[in-house]
Amino acid sequence: SQQGEEDPQALSIQEGENATMNCSYKTSINNLQWYRQNSGRGLVHLILIRSNEREKHSGRLRVTLDTSKKSSSLLITASRAADTASYFCATEGGNKLVFGAGTILRVKS
Amino acid sequence: DTAVSQTPKYLVTQMGNDKSIKCEQNLGHDTMYWYKQDSKKFLKIMFSYNNKELIINETVPNRFSPKSPDKAHLNLHINSLELGDSAVYFCASSPGLANTGELFFGEGSRLTVL
Repeated sequence: SQQGEEDPQALSIQEGENATMNCSYKTSINNLQWYRQNSGRGLVHLILIRSNEREKHSGRLRVTLDTSKKSSSLLITASRAADTASYFCATEGGNKLVFGAGTILRVKS
Repeated sequence: DTAVSQTPKYLVTQMGNDKSIKCEQNLGHDTMYWYKQDSKKFLKIMFSYNNKELIINETVPNRFSPKSPDKAHLNLHINSLELGDSAVYFCASSPGLANTGELFFGEGSRLTVL
């Protein structure tokens, strides 16, 4: 079964608003990663957070990790139309990355 | 220069045919992967090679055969194509094993089986 599951499945917001996506996973991890996929393109790595970190920032992205709840969140602040994409969390297990089903984010201008 | 490149980008073929997808990475990475993304965008790992050695072989029909002639290339050959094989296939690479860092993905090869 999948390791990570994102919610919501889809999110539609106005440009300038913040977008929050959540990821829950089942087993212990060493790190958790977030990826973005634009329509018709490959996945692009956004950020990696290690199990001993609680929060990490990269530009307009903020990722949190709560290992006690086995959950992570990705916050995109001041969203732009170009942020429209699918976002996936990924956890490692057995030398492989296992991806969740993704959240489809649509940012309306 | 494209870091991870796959060819072809689109492939349309009939059931029962055999087809191949090629992947090359110029990042000097040791590990390469094939992932399958279905119509619901669910990504599932199929194979992983580390320095030309097969390290992950998920529950994939043996109609799928990966080949890694060197650590910069990982090709996927599919025999006797079935309708359910229609998907987007992504090649990826990483410096070490997947639990150590990010994966770099190709742009995908969309396979349509008629």
